[in-house]
Order: sequence, then structure tokens, then C-alpha cells
Amino acid sequence: AQKITQTQPGMFVQEKEAVTLDCTYDTSDQSYGLFWYKQPSSGEMIFLIYQGSYDEQNATEGRYSLNFQKARKSANLVISASQLGDSAMYFCAMRAYYAGGTSYGKLTFGQGTILTVHP
Amino acid sequence: DAGVIQSPRHEVTEMGQEVTLRCKPISGHDYLFWYRQTMMRGLELLIYFNNNVPIDDSGMPEDRFSAKMPNASFSTLKIQPSEPRDSAVYFCASRPSGRASETQYFGPGTRLLVL
Repeated sequence: AQKITQTQPGMFVQEKEAVTLDCTYDTSDQSYGLFWYKQPSSGEMIFLIYQGSYDEQNATEGRYSLNFQKARKSANLVISASQLGDSAMYFCAMRAYYAGGTSYGKLTFGQGTILTVHP
Repeated sequence: DAGVIQSPRHEVTEMGQEVTLRCKPISGHDYLFWYRQTMMRGLELLIYFNNNVPIDDSGMPEDRFSAKMPNASFSTLKIQPSEPRDSAVYFCASRPSGRASETQYFGPGTRLLVL
């Protein structure tokens, strides 16, 4: 079974500063993907960034980067130059890619971290 | 592309009534997922389909919940009878098969309140 842990219920950051949102995972699968989603107060789920377990380089998408440390089973999201519009709930999720695994095909989500950006 | 479409966006009903939530996935996507989000339990996967076939329904809370996907462009999640503890936001999501990096695309959600 897979498990995602986000230990920070809430985080605060000053506008224009960088912030790191923590995510650790537990899985017995060898091949998997890690995803981050943003959920603003309006409720929709917005995909931010993806990291494959065999990717050698950390993923980046604009101001978002994923600090992937496979040995430590962590996939932290780094947001650079925070903006007021970054205030939202952030979810880390993972999906197994081995068809024989019980978690194949579906995402397992963490509990989320609420990020508040102060002006 | 219209994205994942869910209806209704809001539903208020009384305990004991039947509730039907609807979802139209993105055209060409052969995976469809139903999630429930509450403050207490976070985001839970209820069931998912691949090519209209239910693959994993282990997250369906009990027999009061049922989901169907009669064709590639339509799915329903039904609660009968509804209870106050079913109050939540229900999301539908879809994704194509193929690349491992392919993400799920979420609909706007249905906010259900059972009185």
C-alpha cells in the first residue's frame, strides 16, 4: 500500500520569498510518479508538477520545482518568489506504475498543506 | 476542450433522499475517477474506471453508494439513501492512458449538503 505524509498543516510565507512544502511517501513499488496539486479557495484542483521515480533530474515548472530525494522518500515542492495568488491548499500525490501493484492506476493523496502568502 | 464537466455544482437534499451526481470526462480519456473531499478525511478515492469498467471500488463507503459508467462519455455516482455524513465535495477526474507522467484532470466538483 502507498502512503503520503504532509506534516505541515499550514505554512506562512512573505510575498516574493521562497517556500518549501514537505512531502514524504512510503511505497514498495519500484516505479511510481509523484504529483503536486493546488486547490485555491474556489475549490478546483490544479495540477502543478510531476516527478517520475526514475527521473534523474528534479522537475521544474516555472516557479515550481520538486526537490526529489529518492533515498529519503521525499518529494518537497519549492515555490520561488511567492505571490499572493499562491495562497491555497497544496496536495502531494503518488501513483504506482507497476500493473501488478495494488495501487496501479490511481493516485494516493496526502492530507494537504494550507499555504498563506502575506503581502 | 471543455474539461471535465460535473453536474450539479451544488446539491442540497434531505436525509433519506436519493442523490445522483453526474460526470462527463474529457473526450479520449479512458480513466475516470470519483473522489470525495471532507475536512476530516481529506481527499478519498471512491472508485475508478478504465475503459468503462470499474477497476477498484474499495473506497466506496458502503452499499448506499454506487457508480456506473454506461459509456465513455458519462458516469454517475448515486447515493441512496443519503445521510448527513455524506455531505462533502465530490470530484470527478479523468486522464488518458499512455505516458506515465499523465496527470488527472479534475472537474469543478459537486458540493453536496445532506440535511
